[in-house]
Amino acid sequence: QKEVEQDPGPLSVPEGAIVSLNCTYSNSAFQYFMWYRQYSRKGPELLMYTYSSGNKEDGRFTAQVDKSSKYISLFIRDSQPSDSATYLCAPREVGGTSYGKLTFGQGTILTVHP
Amino acid sequence: EAGVTQFPSHSVIEKGQTVTLRCDPISGHDNLYWYRRVMGKEIKFLLHFVKESKQDESGMPNNRFLAERTGGTYSTLKVQPAELEDSGVYFCASSQDRELQGIHYEQYFGPGTRLTVT
Repeated sequence: QKEVEQDPGPLSVPEGAIVSLNCTYSNSAFQYFMWYRQYSRKGPELLMYTYSSGNKEDGRFTAQVDKSSKYISLFIRDSQPSDSATYLCAPREVGGTSYGKLTFGQGTILTVHP
Repeated sequence: EAGVTQFPSHSVIEKGQTVTLRCDPISGHDNLYWYRRVMGKEIKFLLHFVKESKQDESGMPNNRFLAERTGGTYSTLKVQPAELEDSGVYFCASSQDRELQGIHYEQYFGPGTRLTVT
């Protein structure tokens, strides 16, 4: 079983739609939960992150973590064609030898069409 | 400020040959990471340097892979001999100091090196 499961999609939505992207994980030691965005032929770039459980909002983006159900979500409001990319969840532990290791989901390919 | 750079951007080699990938982190970043993505799979962690020391090499697939970071600046990842299953995109990332409780230091990724083994 993979430590992080993410539906690869692809997901296609019209401009202005609300997008919901999700991951589940199995490692209870994960404390930081990152969302990366990756455009074609580029490296991943950090979109936002949360520490432990809760919500975090940044403009049109909201990240949620429910540690009780080991569920990670990213919501995009008023989606734009420029949001078309692959979205990757990437949790990690705190402390220990592997504190720097990001464990990526497979990524969800999102297309927002005008 | 320059981002993480990787060289080459693309490499095509034959099975059995040797390839060396290079990563230049953001200046001043002590932490350097290697990841790779093989076709159809998720991005997987390979190893983590803190300055010139290997903090975590739990993701290195086998002894055909050798990573170095002499002097704590740039890093190289050598694959010798290359096999077909080594094909994929190899990403390097860097970050500042080890995180303090509640402070997360972002890993900045380079554009990747696309390795094709034929």
